[in-house]
Amino acid sequence: EVQLVESGGDFIKPGGSLRLSCVAAGFPFSNVYLTWVRQAPGKGPEWLGLIKSKIDGGTTEHAAPVKGRFVISRDDSKNTLYLQMNGLKTEDSGIYYCTTYLVGGPIWGRGTQVTVSS
Amino acid sequence: SYVVSQPPSMSVAPGRTATITCGGNNLGSKSVHWFQQKSGQAPVVVIYDDSDRPSGISERFSGSNSDNTATLTISRVEAGDEADYYCQVWDTSSDPWVFGGGTKLTVL
Repeated sequence: EVQLVESGGDFIKPGGSLRLSCVAAGFPFSNVYLTWVRQAPGKGPEWLGLIKSKIDGGTTEHAAPVKGRFVISRDDSKNTLYLQMNGLKTEDSGIYYCTTYLVGGPIWGRGTQVTVSS
Repeated sequence: SYVVSQPPSMSVAPGRTATITCGGNNLGSKSVHWFQQKSGQAPVVVIYDDSDRPSGISERFSGSNSDNTATLTISRVEAGDEADYYCQVWDTSSDPWVFGGGTKLTVL
């Protein structure tokens, strides 16, 4: 079965760090671009960044609100995507999703909740 | 940065057709995905690449995209279609992924 499963969300104080993981199954992980999206409570989705496949350079792009604080990486040997989040702010609270585009269309994980609060 | 806009809400009676639009400059030259999000749940893609339907999605969902407007059409609307619907566009000129603000569909 094709799936993405996020984990690592937590309740954390402002200024803290957190690493999210997204484990993939059912498709050739190393061949795809992977994306992180978040959704604040009551808001629409927000693109955070992507990482290309190694064959396309494995480079990353990050959205302006998180550039310099968040880092996307991947471990193709573990079929896992990561999001390292540093210097967390209250406005970073929300559900974090990993997503990718396959032949049959985009797929999304179920998300992991991050709450940043003092 | 590229911007797409959706009506914030619409309502439709059961059995009728719902048409949700997504507008953006020269949107017809880009690829548009649509996804459905029910309260407290993860997004579910209902249309991708303008008009393709993922496996398992009802034939009542269809999509089109031309000029400056992409459209999601839901035929024979059912109570279970009540949800937020978002368009998503791939645009390389700014943030690669751009989302519409969402349309809340209410089934009367």
